[in-house]
Amino acid sequence: DQQVKQNSPSLSVQEGRISILNCDYTNSMFDYFLWYKKYPAEGPTFLISISSIKDKNEDGRFTVFLNKSAKHLSLHIVPSQPGDSAVYFCAASEQGGSEKLVFGKGTKLTVNP
Amino acid sequence: KAGVTQTPRYLIKTRGQQVTLSCSPISGHRSVSWYQQTPGQGLQFLFEYFSETQRNKGNFPGRFSGRQFSNSRSEMNVSTLELGDSALYLCASSLNAGTPDTQYFGPGTRLTVL
Repeated sequence: DQQVKQNSPSLSVQEGRISILNCDYTNSMFDYFLWYKKYPAEGPTFLISISSIKDKNEDGRFTVFLNKSAKHLSLHIVPSQPGDSAVYFCAASEQGGSEKLVFGKGTKLTVNP
Repeated sequence: KAGVTQTPRYLIKTRGQQVTLSCSPISGHRSVSWYQQTPGQGLQFLFEYFSETQRNKGNFPGRFSGRQFSNSRSEMNVSTLELGDSALYLCASSLNAGTPDTQYFGPGTRLTVL
């Protein structure tokens, strides 16, 4: 049973607009969440994280929102740029991130110029 | 600073064979984690090593094993290969264990089992 789900395999947005990537989880013990970006032929790169004691974390153009009651998190990219085109994975972990990461299957984001 | 390196980058094996993949972490990093990426299952955690000890293990059969050496380099081994083992195997290193937001991934080893 998938504990972390990214229900949209792909997303296409126009340059300059907002990209919203969604992630749902089922395990209530998860308390640390991360987003990674992956380009073809490269390993994933850490983007941004959030602890369950927060509901929002911002880093430049990237903001992650966490809704614990809905077991839902989202990554907002504003404004979107063509270089953001990649596969985005959300991941979750217990005990503040010290336990093994559980990943979603990824969402392929395409930002059109 | 050199990144995480994985060797070989590509590998073709046949069913029943065994394979060993290697990962050299970033200099000074003591934690190494391994992941399997397949189209069907996505990214799945295999194991994490820290200071030569396995710290965490994912839900994989015993055919999957690993080890870490005193210089922090790590190897993973898959015995009696099955077609379903075809995947991209990713290694990630970090300074300390349990710090996924400071984890750096290598480019992966693409294993094809025929």
